[in-house]
Amino acid sequence: NAGVTQTPKFRILKIGQSMTLQCTQDMNHNYMYWYRQDPGMGLKLIYYSVGAGITDKGEVPNGYNVSRSTTEDFPLRLELAAPSQTSVYFCASRPVGALNSNQPQHFGDGTRLSIL
Amino acid sequence: AQKVTQAQTEISVVEKEDVTLDCVYETRDTTYYLFWYKQPPSGELVFLIRRNSFDEQNEISGRYSWNFQKSTSSFNFTITASQVVDSAVYFCALSEAGQAGTALIFGKGTTLSVSS
Repeated sequence: NAGVTQTPKFRILKIGQSMTLQCTQDMNHNYMYWYRQDPGMGLKLIYYSVGAGITDKGEVPNGYNVSRSTTEDFPLRLELAAPSQTSVYFCASRPVGALNSNQPQHFGDGTRLSIL
Repeated sequence: AQKVTQAQTEISVVEKEDVTLDCVYETRDTTYYLFWYKQPPSGELVFLIRRNSFDEQNEISGRYSWNFQKSTSSFNFTITASQVVDSAVYFCALSEAGQAGTALIFGKGTTLSVSS
């Protein structure tokens, strides 16, 4: 059972480049999330999804896009990379339902992204 | 508005000392969940505990204990007889049942350094 898998683990981008951060989970969780963590700060929500085909903005969505075509995958896309997007990105998932109302989120190991 | 405050940015202790990490939260929801996560130097997020708003019982797990007090909106975390391996960033987080997606709202974290 792999849990939540994020790729790549590290990446350096040039300003203006685009890329997709991959996230996949094998736990059949409906809810998935993308967070970013800046130095000295807690994690902030970028986007979330409550199921395939359904996504919504979080606290800091500007400069990002997401899609959720399957239950397993929730990629995060940066269209025009900017230095302010240098951060560590975490993907997470959790189950839902009456028996899972307070289940914790399962996190991937993170993607460290630098934009120069 | 919902908010999590971890007023202690950094704490340094010597091995075997007890240490308490403070967490104060704000929410208007009557049903909510509180979490603690550990982020060791390797960077992954490790789930430690969750509490729902209807369960104010304190909990002890080995050297770890948690004190939840709704009257003061606090969910403090104590490590007894600290060890070097406890060195990490610790995050307190809040999830509201009434919030779409039930994403986590994180505090900024407390960096704990335990020296031998």
